[in-house]
Amino acid sequence: EIVMTQSPATLSVSPGERATLSCRASQSVSSNLAWVQQKPGQAPRLLMYGASTRATGIPARFSGSGSGTEFTLTISSLQSEDFAVYYCQQYHDWPPYTFGQGTKLEIK
Amino acid sequence: EVQLVESGGGLVQPGGSLRLSCATSGFTFSNYWMNWVRQAPGKGLEWVANIKQDGTEKFYVDSVKGRFTISRDNANSLYLQMNSLRAEDTAVYYCARGPADYYDSSGYHFEEPFDIWGQGTLVTVSS
Repeated sequence: EIVMTQSPATLSVSPGERATLSCRASQSVSSNLAWVQQKPGQAPRLLMYGASTRATGIPARFSGSGSGTEFTLTISSLQSEDFAVYYCQQYHDWPPYTFGQGTKLEIK
Repeated sequence: EVQLVESGGGLVQPGGSLRLSCATSGFTFSNYWMNWVRQAPGKGLEWVANIKQDGTEKFYVDSVKGRFTISRDNANSLYLQMNSLRAEDTAVYYCARGPADYYDSSGYHFEEPFDIWGQGTLVTVSS
C-alpha cells in the first residue's frame, strides 16, 4: 500500500498571500496524483488531477506540480473561500486508493 | 447536471446491517467505475470499495473485506451492503465516480477517478 504524507498538518496564511502545501508518496506514483478540497460540512471536491491539471471550474490561482514521490499544491492569492482542508490522493497503484491525512488551511 | 445522491444511512447497533444507495444522473453510468469513500467524524478520507463498469471486478479495503459488498444495477444506482457493523465503521459514506474508459463515436476516452462526489450519508454504529 502506498502511504501518502502531507505537510504541514495546519497552515495559517493571510488572505491575498500565497499558500504552498506538500504531499509525499512512500513510492513513486508517477503523475497519478489528485488534490481534493473539503470545506466544513461539505463533500470533497476534486481540484487537480494528473498532479498539475485543474479540474473543471477550478480557478487559475490553484496550481499543482511534482511527479514521482514529491508534490506541491500552490494557491497564489488566497481568497476567503479557499480556507478548507486539502487532501492529496494517489491513483497509481490500487487497490487501495490512498489519501494523505490532510492539510488544514486556516486564516491567519 | 451530473449528480450522485446517497441514501440509507442511519443508526445501527454493533453487529447489525445497513444498505447504502447512490442514485446517479446526468452521465452514462455504464462508462464508469464507481467507489465508496468514508470519513469518520473529525478524520480524513478512506477509500472503502469500488466496482467495475460491468460489475465483474470489485475491490475492498482490508478492514471491510468479508463484511461489505458493493454492487450496481442497470438503473444507474450503486449500493453498499454493510454487515457485521462495528463502531469503527461510523462515518459519512460518499459515493464517487470514476475512472472511466470507453469508446464512442469520437474515439477512446479516459477520465480520472473521483471527479464527482455525492453529498454523503451518515452511518452511526452504536448501542
